[in-house]
Amino acid sequence: SQQGEEDPQALSIQEGENATMNCSYKTSINNLQWYRQNSGRGLVHLILIRSNEREKHSGRLRVTLDTSKKSSSLLITASRAADTASYFCATSKAAGNKLTFGGGTRVLVKP
Amino acid sequence: NAGVTQTPKFQVLKTGQSMTLQCAQDMNHNSMYWYRQDPGMGLRLIYYSASEGTTDKGEVPNGYNVSRLNKREFSLRLESAAPSQTSVYFCASSALTSGSGETQYFGPGTRLLVL
Repeated sequence: SQQGEEDPQALSIQEGENATMNCSYKTSINNLQWYRQNSGRGLVHLILIRSNEREKHSGRLRVTLDTSKKSSSLLITASRAADTASYFCATSKAAGNKLTFGGGTRVLVKP
Repeated sequence: NAGVTQTPKFQVLKTGQSMTLQCAQDMNHNSMYWYRQDPGMGLRLIYYSASEGTTDKGEVPNGYNVSRLNKREFSLRLESAAPSQTSVYFCASSALTSGSGETQYFGPGTRLLVL
């Protein structure tokens, strides 16, 4: 079974709007990562947040982590058509350990 | 740097045929991984290699074998392909050092169709 589960499964927004997606997981983690996958391509790392961190920013991306609720959120601000992709969360139970991926959120940004 | 490369990009097999998927990385990473991705789903780990000379099973290892040929190369073999192995296969690598190495870098994928 997958450790992380994303919500919603699909999201459609207008360019310029914000996109928020959530990830829930079941067991304690060392870190949680978000990846993007454009259609027909491999995954690209976006951001990593450690279990002792609560919020992290990278450009237009904002990630939060609530270990008490075993959940994380990814916010993309001022979305662009180029943000159209699937977004996956992945958890690691120990430093340097293998990742377990969620099912992903498909985001469509309409121009 | 090419990053992570995979060959072939696309393959069609008949049930029972065998094939090897090749993966190479030029980032001097210690760890390498093989995943499969089925339509509309996330990635599931097949096998991984934490370092040269070691391999371990992931979530879905049945029907597959792997070889960590050297630090750069990690191959995935299907001995007798089945239609259930129709999927997109991704190879990834990471430095596997705490503090900076947990990020995984992915190849472009191999699309496998088993008839």
